Amino acid sequence: QVQLQESGPGLVKPSQTLSLSCTVSGGSISSGGFYWSWIRRHPGKGLEWIGYVYYSGTTYYNPSLKSRVTISVDTSKNQFSLNLTSLTVADTALYYCARHRWGLGAFDIWGQGTMVSVSS
Amino acid sequence: EIVLTQSPGTLSLSPGERATLSCRASQSVSNNYLAWYQHKPGQAPRLLIYGASSRATGIPDRFSGSGSGTDFTLTITKLEPEDFAVYYCQQQGNSPQITFGPGTKVDIK
Repeated sequence: QVQLQESGPGLVKPSQTLSLSCTVSGGSISSGGFYWSWIRRHPGKGLEWIGYVYYSGTTYYNPSLKSRVTISVDTSKNQFSLNLTSLTVADTALYYCARHRWGLGAFDIWGQGTMVSVSS
Repeated sequence: EIVLTQSPGTLSLSPGERATLSCRASQSVSNNYLAWYQHKPGQAPRLLIYGASSRATGIPDRFSGSGSGTDFTLTITKLEPEDFAVYYCQQQGNSPQITFGPGTKVDIK
């Protein structure tokens, strides 16, 4: 079965760029019908969709983050990645990667999440 | 952007009771692309319901979803101890944009 695993730094400084990766195992990232996604949860708050990428490289982003976000895919590594620039403490959150199934309109598989703290 | 509002914010119930959670959208959700998730501390969110009323694989039948347009409901018929968690609704209409509701916490009375 498909599993997702996030990786990246747990602590980054303000104004820097956050880079996270998500490795897909048990299936191919190039399978059609799925968008590979990043979602975050701020401490004590709800879920916020960041954006997603198709295996072809097509992306869609949350308008509130669009100016700072890049999501890319590496089919040779079966991975996709998140870059978030100009970090502030407000970007401190638990970051999840997830698989979005287009025909369902829902996220059917999630990674366990990785905590990112933005602090000097 | 479609804004989702969930009510109540917190629902305090006892095991065995029925839980009714509401999700209201600021505009009609196209294709009824409305999903519900269960989220427990330290775990990944779990898809319960998609398409407003279809249960995801492996989800017990005590969970059911209903509604269309702008008003949706998640019902848990008899709460089990493992059902105490936060529940989120999420929509994806015609636009590729996704939004989540703020969540309803179901806790033990």
